[in-house]
Amino acid sequence: QQPVQSPQAVILREGEDAVINCSSSKALYSVHWYRQKHGEAPVFLMILLKGGEQKGHDKISASFNEKKQQSSLYLTASQLSYSGTYFCGSDGVHGSGNTGKLIFGQGTTLQVKP
Amino acid sequence: EAQVTQNPRYLITVTGKKLTVTCSQNMNHEYMSWYRQDPGLGLRQIYYSMNVEVTDKGDVPEGYKVSRKEKRNFPLILESPSPNQTSLYFCASSVSDGVYQPQHFGDGTRLSIL
Repeated sequence: QQPVQSPQAVILREGEDAVINCSSSKALYSVHWYRQKHGEAPVFLMILLKGGEQKGHDKISASFNEKKQQSSLYLTASQLSYSGTYFCGSDGVHGSGNTGKLIFGQGTTLQVKP
Repeated sequence: EAQVTQNPRYLITVTGKKLTVTCSQNMNHEYMSWYRQDPGLGLRQIYYSMNVEVTDKGDVPEGYKVSRKEKRNFPLILESPSPNQTSLYFCASSVSDGVYQPQHFGDGTRLSIL
């Protein structure tokens, strides 16, 4: 089951904040976040493992709520370079460990304007 | 330079003509995976491999084959391509099982089946 991302698209002005959500109907073992610029390959941002952790680097951070089966990506004081499509990827819990399968959401397009 | 290399980058071919998209990584990664990307659907996993001679189906394996005879190579084979396999394909690799570690993506292969 593909995770559901919201919103599907967002337009910001430079300096504004944004939140992208990723929800799953299945239990989550880990959540990956990637950014893809137009015509390029996805680039890794961060991975969060079950345990309710929060991670971040620079002005991009994320949280993972295992109970709610969701993760959120926070972009603070957005810059033009943040524009792109953001994907979350989840790996479901299977038996005593992970499945090895990584299922991505449909993506959230972020456009930052000057 | 650490990289995942896909070939070809672009291919236009006809229905039924067997083709192979190669993927090679120079990072000694155990985990490799193939995705297809279609507008509005995000990245969907086709097949993945946890190590040499170990492969498993992703979410959309129909019409595709893979093999993992060497650690560095993970070719994607379309035995009898059809127009609904027209898509942008990405190969990715990571250390270990692909769950805890970031995935490194190739530059993509744009495939058009007429």
